[in-house]
Amino acid sequence: EAQVTQNPRYLITVTGKKLTVTCSQNMNHEYMSWYRQDPGLGLRQIYYSMNVEVTDKGDVPEGYKVSRKEKRNFPLILESPSPNQTSLYFCASSHGGLGEKLFFGSGTQLSVL
Amino acid sequence: GQQVMQIPQYQHVQEGEDFTTYCNSSTTLSNIQWYKQRPGGHPVFLIQLVKSGEVKKQKRLTFQFGEAKKNSSLHITATQTTDVGTYFCAVLNNAGNMLTFGGGTRLMVKP
Repeated sequence: EAQVTQNPRYLITVTGKKLTVTCSQNMNHEYMSWYRQDPGLGLRQIYYSMNVEVTDKGDVPEGYKVSRKEKRNFPLILESPSPNQTSLYFCASSHGGLGEKLFFGSGTQLSVL
Repeated sequence: GQQVMQIPQYQHVQEGEDFTTYCNSSTTLSNIQWYKQRPGGHPVFLIQLVKSGEVKKQKRLTFQFGEAKKNSSLHITATQTTDVGTYFCAVLNNAGNMLTFGGGTRLMVKP
């Protein structure tokens, strides 16, 4: 089944404790992206990647890192999480860039205490 | 990123009533996408509009792209409880590397 898989689904952590949210897609998509969703603010892009080893900042990249060493994986790294990073995170992918539709993962609800 | 305003933010309707959400931009758009997110779920692609004045239908859903390609609407005829969720529009920036989402319209349907 074609899908974008995110893990974990829920995560509670404390300020400053490094964490990684994994994202994997099995559709051979070139484009992958991370969004955060906050009430009243819609979906805001954190980072995106047009292909392997190519990443770039979105609208809200501060406090986040990403890597794209393999085509299928695009992990989101929070080196030193803070409470303002408490949010619902979505990974998404598309074939050949943003002219195509985005496929979203199921989301990761992160709480930073 | 590209700015796009979506209204209304919330809408309560009685089952069977119609519903419309609007997306507006101050600049000309290359295209616009619409997504639906069920409560507790993830956004799911509905449709993409590209041409000026384009109208597309999916059963009870009608999508329109304005003649000037600065606005778009999603209209649902005779809403059902299965239509509950948040509807987002999304627009591409000029460089084609970022998709900016509207704030979404949360639809609630009373049975």
